[in-house]
Amino acid sequence: GNSVTQMEGPVTLSEEAFLTINCTYTATGYPSLFWYVQYPGEGLQLLLKATKADDKGSNKGFEATYRKETTSFHLEKGSVQVSDSAVYFCALRGGDGGFKTIFGAGTRLFVKA
Amino acid sequence: EAGVAQSPRYKIIEKRQSVAFWCNPISGHATLYWYQQILGQGPKLLIQFQNNGVVDDSQLPKDRFSAERLKGVDSTLKIQPAKLEDSAVYLCASSLDLGGGRGETQYFGPGTRLLVL
Repeated sequence: GNSVTQMEGPVTLSEEAFLTINCTYTATGYPSLFWYVQYPGEGLQLLLKATKADDKGSNKGFEATYRKETTSFHLEKGSVQVSDSAVYFCALRGGDGGFKTIFGAGTRLFVKA
Repeated sequence: EAGVAQSPRYKIIEKRQSVAFWCNPISGHATLYWYQQILGQGPKLLIQFQNNGVVDDSQLPKDRFSAERLKGVDSTLKIQPAKLEDSAVYLCASSLDLGGGRGETQYFGPGTRLLVL
């Protein structure tokens, strides 16, 4: 069945550092890929998504490219801010899993001033 | 636009008791989801409704969990009787699902934090 694996946290960075959070997936067919973010005390919200191979999702300075050849959807940001401190979830939907969304375990990011 | 509403926000019960959670999705959203998020894990889908009908409930522990969505709008999720391992955050989400299916964005509520003692 479908699955998502993302790097374990926590990840601790200084402000303005470069961020990469790795995400790989297992799926047949052509799933859509998502990054959701959960800020402290808030619900999950969509950060970005990509629905087909080679698509790049982007939002708030974050980017991720759908790489079918490496089954990856790594999240990157060139310069993180303290306000980016949150838990980030990689997810997929579709493929052989129908319309069920499968989430990774989440990666907690701490950004220090 | 109002977001997904959930209540209560917190609930503490003893094992073997019953509990119910309520969700009001974004107006006009056809699809409603209930997820269970155990501490340190990603959300796990319990049940997915499309309007009144159940699309997927393959991971719902049906011996103790039940859910309904009356008139295709509000939904309730019930646990009866609760076990210690049910301690988690229960998230409700909704999406438009205009036939786009797999690419649809889900909008999440704040969740209900359940502690079973």
